[in-house]
Amino acid sequence: NAGVTQTPKFQVLKTGQSMTLQCAQDMNHEYMSWYRQDPGMGLRLIHYSVGAGITDQGEVPNGYNVSRSTTEDFPLRLLSAAPSQTSVYFCASSQGARSYGYTFGSGTRLTVV
Amino acid sequence: KNQVEQSPQSLIILEGKNCTLQCNYTVSPFSNLRWYKQDTGRGPVSLTIMTFSENTKSNGRYTATLDADTKQSSLHITASQLSDSASYICVVGGAGSYQLTFGKGTKLSVIP
Repeated sequence: NAGVTQTPKFQVLKTGQSMTLQCAQDMNHEYMSWYRQDPGMGLRLIHYSVGAGITDQGEVPNGYNVSRSTTEDFPLRLLSAAPSQTSVYFCASSQGARSYGYTFGSGTRLTVV
Repeated sequence: KNQVEQSPQSLIILEGKNCTLQCNYTVSPFSNLRWYKQDTGRGPVSLTIMTFSENTKSNGRYTATLDADTKQSSLHITASQLSDSASYICVVGGAGSYQLTFGKGTKLSVIP
């Protein structure tokens, strides 16, 4: 089925470990983004990309890196995990950032201990 | 600072009843307003998108309204079903920006 695929669905990390959250879409969308969702807060933008080779920071980029080598993939890297990064992470893609609906992945629930 | 406020925080209604969720925003300049439905443990799913010139949009039993002058929007759910139990999130996009401002959501519970 067409859509946004995120892996893994669940992950437990120890403080200081690094990992990559994977995101892939098969809709040929130019715009992709990463959000985190914390209890009692709205989704917050971490990083986004408007096309292959182009990325930019969102509202809460510290501690995260991204790259966009292909249209389909937009991985999110945690460089040195901290308990404050415990959250649910969503990847989203869109035909165009400003006026089109976003398709969200099913999320990755990350716990940092 | 751009903000999106939703009310109520939570709501319980009987199956078959109607309900209305509210959204107030301070995002400026305004580009579009979106409503999403998020089931527990799942990603948000788009219900409606409205631009400045639109004041109502429907998607089945969901009808969204927008008053850009007062910066208010509402989502009306007609003849609620158990499957409508979810969080409903109001999201506002600013003109000239890729960033969206998300509300905290209204948690709706539909009971038999």
